[in-house]
Amino acid sequence: GESVGLHLPTLSVQEGDNSIINCAYSNSASDYFIWYKQESGKGPQFIIDIRSNMDKRQGQRVTVLLNKTVKHLSLQIAATQPGDSAVYFCAENRGGGSQGNLIFGKGTKLSVKP
Amino acid sequence: EPEVTQTPSHQVTQMGQEVILRCVPISNHLYFYWYRQILGQKVEFLVSFYNNEISEKSEIFDDQFSVERPDGSNFTLKIRSTKLEDSAMYFCASSLSGQSNQPQHFGDGTRLSIL
Repeated sequence: GESVGLHLPTLSVQEGDNSIINCAYSNSASDYFIWYKQESGKGPQFIIDIRSNMDKRQGQRVTVLLNKTVKHLSLQIAATQPGDSAVYFCAENRGGGSQGNLIFGKGTKLSVKP
Repeated sequence: EPEVTQTPSHQVTQMGQEVILRCVPISNHLYFYWYRQILGQKVEFLVSFYNNEISEKSEIFDDQFSVERPDGSNFTLKIRSTKLEDSAMYFCASSLSGQSNQPQHFGDGTRLSIL
């Protein structure tokens, strides 16, 4: 069952370092994954997505890696900046023709030290 | 860049009262969604909507909830008789299509506080 009052994992990095945020998903039928960034008082902001027929996708300063064998997703942020400080969520789509019901992970709080 | 807008940003309501949360999805998007996030918890799916009808809904979306697209731009979530446990952030999202590989874009949410 769900936990009440989740304590978010926290990742603290120095400005300019690379960040890696990890996510495990549970549904082997999931065929589409998204990383969202959520700043305080804001809604989830789309960062990057990846389909299950890919292992890696790169954006501007961000890379998503997908390992379907172990059902693991990671987000790499290069040259992390103070503006990257936020909570990062992975979300999966259940697949099987589902019309976009996203299942969100617990989130990781990224803190960037100047 | 086009964005999803939600009003009000904060709604305070007495328990048992009806509340309507409003959203304006991105203009060329066809699929609309409501999610909620109870403080400190995950974002949870409530309902998806396409072509003026509900496509999918979760267990949370019981008879107290309803959605409507009253005109060409607005998408609303109504809670008929609010309970204390309805207090949460409510996020509206939209996507261009309903294919499972289309990103959903979220608004900044409405904070609903039930007293």
